[in-house]
This record gives sequence, structure tokens and C-alpha cells, in this order.
Amino acid sequence: NAGVTQTPKFRVLKTGQSMTLLCAQDMNHEYMYWYRQDPGMGLRLIHYSVGEGTTAKGEVPDGYNVSRLKKQNFLLGLESAAPSQTSVYFCASSSTGSREQYFGPGTRLTVT
Amino acid sequence: SQKIEQNSEALNIQEGKTATLTCNYTNYSPAYLQWYRQDPGRGPVFLLLIRENEKEKRKERLKVTFDTTLKQSLFHITASQPADSATYLCALRSGYALNFGKGTSLLVTP
Repeated sequence: NAGVTQTPKFRVLKTGQSMTLLCAQDMNHEYMYWYRQDPGMGLRLIHYSVGEGTTAKGEVPDGYNVSRLKKQNFLLGLESAAPSQTSVYFCASSSTGSREQYFGPGTRLTVT
Repeated sequence: SQKIEQNSEALNIQEGKTATLTCNYTNYSPAYLQWYRQDPGRGPVFLLLIRENEKEKRKERLKVTFDTTLKQSLFHITASQPADSATYLCALRSGYALNFGKGTSLLVTP
């Protein structure tokens, strides 16, 4: 099992460009999450999903959109990237909302 | 507002000693608390989950306590090794998701 994978690992964008981060999990988990991690700020929840076709906002959703068309995939989109979105993005999944989360390796995004 | 506080200062200890990390929280009524380990450049890895009625839980050299009266969890690593050097995060459930503390960096020196 690959667990949770993220694509790409690194990306540099110019302000105003768009991109999509892909998260895939092969554990048949219902719940999936997108976090960003910044120095001194810890992990902050962007959006999450409690099942295929559902999404919900987390702590810092502005500037991001998500989709969960298939149970195993959770996509994070940036429509118009801003320098404030420079961060490391982590995807995670869990079998339920109360169980441990499994994290991907992260995507390092730089917006210039 | 809900807060999870972990010591922001790095903890430096000598190999073989016991490391103790603290997680304090406010405005939560948690049924359980989780601890994760994060190495530089990697995603967090789940270590332990302790329920409110368990008070103490052990896994190999790890021990976690959970005091809902003090609103505090302590995370102990006994006989610490340089390989234990990492950042340790505590997490509490908020709705369908987890809120994480900012983590405490542990450095174990030979």
C-alpha cells in the first residue's frame, strides 16, 4: 500500500497563476483533509471531506477550493495564487473523524 | 476560543534520559487526545491516542498521560535516543477534524 500520496512535491507559481494539488489514498478512508503548515503557525486546516462528493471549510479556506469526486482522491485548487499562499501543504486521511490521520509527504509551494 | 499550547522552546536532553513534553488545552471537552511525530521535510506520523478515561497509555518507550481536570497531556520518551529527535505535535478533535498544537522540537544528543 502506498498510503497517502501527493502530487507534485514542489511547485513554483507566479502571482495570479492557478494550480491543482492532487491527493490520493489507497486505504479506503472516508475522511480526507488539506492542511497548510507555516513556520510558527503549525498545521492549519484548509478544507476537509467526510465522504465522496462532500466538502467543508476548515480554519483557513479563503483562496482555495476543493473537490472529492472519487473516494480515493481529494483535490486542492488555487484559482489565483498569492504570495501569502507560499507554504507546505499536507493531505491526510482517516477512517473516521475520531481515528488517527495518515499524512502524505507534503507539497512545497512557492508563489513569487 | 479553543487553544492548544505546546512549549515553543526546543527541548534538549542527553541520550538515555527521559524527555517530557507538555500539551495544554482550553475550551475543549475532548473524548481523546492524539500525539504525532514530525521529522523535517515530512508529514506527521501518528504515535498514540489516549481516551479521557484512560489516564495513562504506553507504547514501547512512549508514555502518555491525560488529565482532563488539569486540561493537560504529558508525553514521555524514556531512554531517549538521538533517533527520537523530531517535533512532536498533540491534537484534539474539533467537529469532524483535528486541531493541532504548534509542536515541541526535541533534540537528543549523544
